[in-house]
Amino acid sequence: DADVTQTPRNRITKTGKRIMLECSQTKGHDRMYWYRQDPGLGLRLIYYSFDVKDINKGEISDGYSVSRQAQAKFSLSLESAIPNQTALYFCATREGGTGGAEGYTFGSGTRLTVV
Amino acid sequence: EDQVTQSPEALRLQEGESSSLNCSYTVSGLRGLFWYRQDPGKGPEFLFTLYSAGEEKEKERLKATLTKKESFLHITAPKPEDSATYLCAVAPAAGNKLTFGGGTRVLVKP
Repeated sequence: DADVTQTPRNRITKTGKRIMLECSQTKGHDRMYWYRQDPGLGLRLIYYSFDVKDINKGEISDGYSVSRQAQAKFSLSLESAIPNQTALYFCATREGGTGGAEGYTFGSGTRLTVV
Repeated sequence: EDQVTQSPEALRLQEGESSSLNCSYTVSGLRGLFWYRQDPGKGPEFLFTLYSAGEEKEKERLKATLTKKESFLHITAPKPEDSATYLCAVAPAAGNKLTFGGGTRVLVKP
């Protein structure tokens, strides 16, 4: 099994629909992140969480919300999807504190299309 | 604001033709600079972390170097399996945000 699992892998949804992307990890890491990737723009941070009770906005949080259900689970919701939210979404984890020398561990991504 | 710029955007190489990718950055105190490899339809895969100017890391045909303003990823005698997008990212000394560059798409032709 992958260290970081994202579901679904692909999703097509209509404008205005609510959609949830899920992420689970077996790394035992405290820190979890949601990123969005658009062609030529690199990855941009949407939300991040250091533990179940600690949720923080990233640089592009508008139109998104998150829930940290457990240390291992972090879900991203689009309350009312719009076409410019069409992108590749990645969940990532990192060891907290002074660790994390290996960097972040990413899931395989969810390709979301909003029509 | 932290910034990362990667060049070139795309690179076409013949098998065996060595080359370098550039990552220029500005950050308010560098905690670490990361290189990732990303294959189509997959998430970024960690390659290296560099912490201070002068540091070098190697893995097979890849070698990453770091100065105070930029990092280079050298690909020596590349093979077709080295074809991928290579991403650079920086983490500031304070704060928790990882800033990514736009990536360099590398295609190695046999």
